[in-house]
Amino acid sequence: GEDVEQSLFLSVREGDSSVINCTYTDSSSTYLYWYKQEPGAGLQLLTYIFSNMDMKQDQRLTVLLNKKDKHLSLRIADTQTGDSAIYFCAESIDYGGSQGNLIFGKGTKLSVKP
Amino acid sequence: DTEVTQTPKHLVMGMTNKKSLKCEQHMGHRAMYWYKQKAKKPPELMFVYSYEKLSINESVPSRFSPECPNSSLLNLHLHALQPEDSALYLCASSQGPRSYEQYFGPGTRLTVT
Repeated sequence: GEDVEQSLFLSVREGDSSVINCTYTDSSSTYLYWYKQEPGAGLQLLTYIFSNMDMKQDQRLTVLLNKKDKHLSLRIADTQTGDSAIYFCAESIDYGGSQGNLIFGKGTKLSVKP
Repeated sequence: DTEVTQTPKHLVMGMTNKKSLKCEQHMGHRAMYWYKQKAKKPPELMFVYSYEKLSINESVPSRFSPECPNSSLLNLHLHALQPEDSALYLCASSQGPRSYEQYFGPGTRLTVT
């Protein structure tokens, strides 16, 4: 079955790089995503990667995908206090022609200390 | 405009009440979603509407009744809820059912007493 695993907590100092890791089980996943959720708010799509790519960079964010090991990571360069939030890894399953079935990990709470 | 709006922001209801959650987007998206998120848990998909037709119902109890009156609006009608239904209800939309970018609203925090 589908399962997405993440470590629950990460604490870094302001200015350092943060690396959040995720493993998934479904090899048929077509897209993998990183969402950010601030307290009391909805989810913000940060970035996504297609399963035939191994890296994607977008400003301070770098996504690495190791399809063989089913491992996804999100690196945030120069982490700021405003990056403190919960980060969800998600995979999309092709569900009857729809990409609508997002399977989320439990989320990693990133705390940034000044 | 990449915004999905949801009303109300907070809702407290008794187990015998009937209430509705509303979601709206004006991005021309043709797929809309309801998710339920319990505290300290990830979101779980409840329903998917594709071109105003219900395409996915993840075995959700009938006390939750979705409605898509037009391509911009999505409602979730609530009746005879249980305290364990208390959660954050998130609406999302995407360009189409095969689109990979889902935009989420801020959610409605529901408390059932």
